[in-house]
Amino acid sequence: AAGVIQSPRHLIKEKRETATLKCYPIPRHDTVYWYQQGPGQDPQFLISFYEKMQSDKGSIPDRFSAQQFSDYHSELNMSSLELGDSALYFCASSRPDRGGRNTEAFFGQGTRLTVV
Amino acid sequence: AQSVTQLDSHVSVSEGTPVLLRCNYSSSYSPSLFWYVQHPNKGLQLLLKYTSAATLVKGINGFEAEFKKSETSFHLTKPSAHMSDAAEYFCVVSEGDNFNKFYFGSGTKLNVKP
Repeated sequence: AAGVIQSPRHLIKEKRETATLKCYPIPRHDTVYWYQQGPGQDPQFLISFYEKMQSDKGSIPDRFSAQQFSDYHSELNMSSLELGDSALYFCASSRPDRGGRNTEAFFGQGTRLTVV
Repeated sequence: AQSVTQLDSHVSVSEGTPVLLRCNYSSSYSPSLFWYVQHPNKGLQLLLKYTSAATLVKGINGFEAEFKKSETSFHLTKPSAHMSDAAEYFCVVSEGDNFNKFYFGSGTKLNVKP
């Protein structure tokens, strides 16, 4: 079965550079979430999209932006990178059931971003 | 408001002995609850989920969890640990009025000794 695809899997950037992470959800999933997991940390919610509109916002820095496109894939854009942005970035997708409940989120393998 | 508390940051068991990973949640609404497992340098894999059906939920790899509303708990158990169970486990809640966010506990690292 198709899973959530994230690209690239690994990315090395220098301070003050920009990075773009991509997420391709499971087909027919209309909700996408982005999470940041620092070393030894639990995943922190960044932002989510439902039907191409931002649905919720977490601890996403102003230097980051994201969007969901018409084909439901999402991109996380990160500018003025800092050393502290080094982390594993997860994307997840879901499709609420008829009652609007999130039955589960399917996670991608993550993009490991290293800022040097 | 909703939150998830995993009561133990580290749990160590011997192979073949039972596993208990504890999770308590707070939620204003009827929650959906999940357990995810993360092996080193890997993504998050769903073990099991509770979404208002049977309170005892069976998952993959012999894991199960019981939703206890009176205790606001969703503890994860397995009768007999295997070496391959060594990983980090996250309890996650998705709340009824905010279907667009999953809230993670801080994780429990399970160590399995030979």
